[in-house]
Amino acid sequence: GNSVTQMEGPVTLSEEAFLTINCTYTATGYPSLFWYVQYPGEGLQLLLKATKADDKGSNKGFEATYRKETTSFHLEKGSVQVSDSAVYFCALHTGGFKTIFGAGTRLFVKA
Amino acid sequence: DVKVTQSSRYLVKRTGEKVFLECVQDMDHENMFWYRQDPGLGLRLIYFSYDVKMKEKGDIPEGYSVSREKKERFSLILESASTNQTSMYLCASSRPEGQGLSAFFGQGTRLTVV
Repeated sequence: GNSVTQMEGPVTLSEEAFLTINCTYTATGYPSLFWYVQYPGEGLQLLLKATKADDKGSNKGFEATYRKETTSFHLEKGSVQVSDSAVYFCALHTGGFKTIFGAGTRLFVKA
Repeated sequence: DVKVTQSSRYLVKRTGEKVFLECVQDMDHENMFWYRQDPGLGLRLIYFSYDVKMKEKGDIPEGYSVSREKKERFSLILESASTNQTSMYLCASSRPEGQGLSAFFGQGTRLTVV
C-alpha cells in the first residue's frame, strides 16, 4: 500500500543552520507530494507541493524536489529561524479522497 | 482569508459521555475530513465526506460517527467516549481536484477523556 516515511525527530538546530528533513514514499501510480507545517497550538497548513517527477515546490525559503528515481521528497532550507520551530509532515496523494501523512518531524531552532 | 473553524480548542469529557466535535468551513468545499493526531503516528483518517449526507469510513472509524447535513458543516460524534479517544482531532476541507489535492485544516480540538 501507499506509505510515507519521515526521519524521526526532534531535530534541533541553531539559528541560520541548514535544514534537511528526509521523506521517502511508497506509492502505486504517480502521487502528488506535499509538505505541511504545524506551528504550536495550530492546525496544519500547506507549505509546498509538487505534482510530478522533477518538480520543485518552494515557499518561505523552504524547497523540496520530487525525485521519482529515489522515491523521495526531502525538505530543505538554507538558513532556519526560530520562527520555523514547528512539526513538519510529509504527505502523498494518489487520487481519490485520501491523503497519506507521515508521522511528522518536530524541529526546534535555538537562538 | 479561507477558514476552517473547529468549535472548541480544548474539551474535557467523562468516560461514557456522548461527545460532539463541530467543524465549519467557509470555502464551499465539497470534501471534508476528520483526522486524529497522536504522537509518533501522524494523522490518521477517521471519516470523510464528499457531499452533503455522504460519508465514508477512513482508517480508524471504530467508536466514531459523523454527520453532514449542510455543505459547510461536518460533525464528529463519539457515541460513548473512552480514555483511548483522548487525542488531538483535526478537521480539514478540500476541493475535489483529484491529483494535486491540498487540504485546509482547522486549528484542532484537544480532547481529554477522563
